[in-house]
Amino acid sequence: GAVVSQHPSRVICKSGTSVKIECRSLDFQATTMFWYRQFPKQSLMLMATSNEGSKATYEQGVEKDKFLINHASLTLSTLTVTSAHPEDSSFYICSARETQGEGGFTDTQYFGPGTRLTVL
Amino acid sequence: RKEVEQDPGPFNVPEGATVAFNCTYSNSASQSFFWYRQDCRKEPKLLMSVYSSGNEDGRFTAQLNRASQYISLLIRDSKLSDSATYLCVVNKGGSYIPTFGRGTSLIVHP
Repeated sequence: GAVVSQHPSRVICKSGTSVKIECRSLDFQATTMFWYRQFPKQSLMLMATSNEGSKATYEQGVEKDKFLINHASLTLSTLTVTSAHPEDSSFYICSARETQGEGGFTDTQYFGPGTRLTVL
Repeated sequence: RKEVEQDPGPFNVPEGATVAFNCTYSNSASQSFFWYRQDCRKEPKLLMSVYSSGNEDGRFTAQLNRASQYISLLIRDSKLSDSATYLCVVNKGGSYIPTFGRGTSLIVHP
């Protein structure tokens, strides 16, 4: 399957700092990427949908000014957690949508390995 | 009713057993369906896509029942390494918004 990388894999920071997470599709172009958050023993929660060249679409309850998303190219989306607080500590996972039209249409999303954020 | 519902389990089965999970969805306009597995503290990994009437990949079989709006995952000859959480994902057509179920936990014991 397609490969998606995410960097950094782990971040520990002080309260009030901003943290930037990168998500890259390595072997395909992704016009759409998704950002999720997962708290321990809970399901994935979609935070926002990131479309290349346009503004991200945020899910209800997700503050767009706190979670800044930039999708400047077909292979890179970034999530910046601004002024992070301990309650933002979570596992942040991105995914990239791959579509293929030749030889049979497929439309699948592949996940990055996740970023574990701990805010002290 | 939640958009995508799964029995959280855990399903606790011995090695070699056959186990089946169901996932129901509420939006009849849903167009594509997937099963992912997620290991503890790891990202979800695609297990199978379920596009039409279902498909099979080795010990894994996925079925789609549009009339009753559910998909299923059957695992035959369970292995210890199958222990994980299995996530059902349903995509609505058009805008392609993936919706995840909460996952079903499977524990395969010796």
